[in-house]
Amino acid sequence: AQSVAQPEDQVNVAEGNPLTVKCTYSVSGNPYLFWYVQYPNRGLQFLLKYITGDNLVKGSYGFEAEFNKSQTSFHLKKPSALVSDSALYFCAVSGGAGNNRKLIWGLGTSLAVNP
Amino acid sequence: DTAVSQTPKYLVTQMGNDKSIKCEQNLGHDTMYWYKQDSKKFLKIMFSYNNKELIINETVPNRFSPKSPDKAHLNLHINSLELGDSAVYFCASSPDRGITYEQYFGPGTRLTVT
Repeated sequence: AQSVAQPEDQVNVAEGNPLTVKCTYSVSGNPYLFWYVQYPNRGLQFLLKYITGDNLVKGSYGFEAEFNKSQTSFHLKKPSALVSDSALYFCAVSGGAGNNRKLIWGLGTSLAVNP
Repeated sequence: DTAVSQTPKYLVTQMGNDKSIKCEQNLGHDTMYWYKQDSKKFLKIMFSYNNKELIINETVPNRFSPKSPDKAHLNLHINSLELGDSAVYFCASSPDRGITYEQYFGPGTRLTVT
């Protein structure tokens, strides 16, 4: 079965420290992977995606993610966290085959960056 | 200009009523979606349209009926509202139906059923 897991409900990090938000997946075929961010009372915003090519993907607001095929992971990272990064982060992966492919969403990880 | 807009932003209504939520995108995208986000922030896709054609129809009660009059608009009508329908409903769009495209989300409609 196709699935995506965000093993941590919440991540706490001090401002200025590096942050990691974890995502692992299970799909058949080549995965297409996405990260989205949701600020309070807002819609989701696209951060970055991996489709093919370089395993290290850079995105908006200084975020990056590394596709690791052997570990079936796509962790989101940022070298130096800001208080304004505090939000809910969703990992999503494409699943299924052919015209039935659709995004499968993780349950979200709440990131709190403390001043 | 707002790329994906939804109206209303808030909707408070009683059980048994019928209500509609409207969505418009000015991005020129071909594909639009409706999502439901529950109180635990779990995001679930409900429907997707591509050029006015229904392409994703998840396990959703048939009280929910989407309508796409043109590719820039996707409305959601809900009949006989129930307490469990209380959630935030998000509309989204993407350039095409292919799942390599990122989605652009509206600000959400918070539906409260009393």
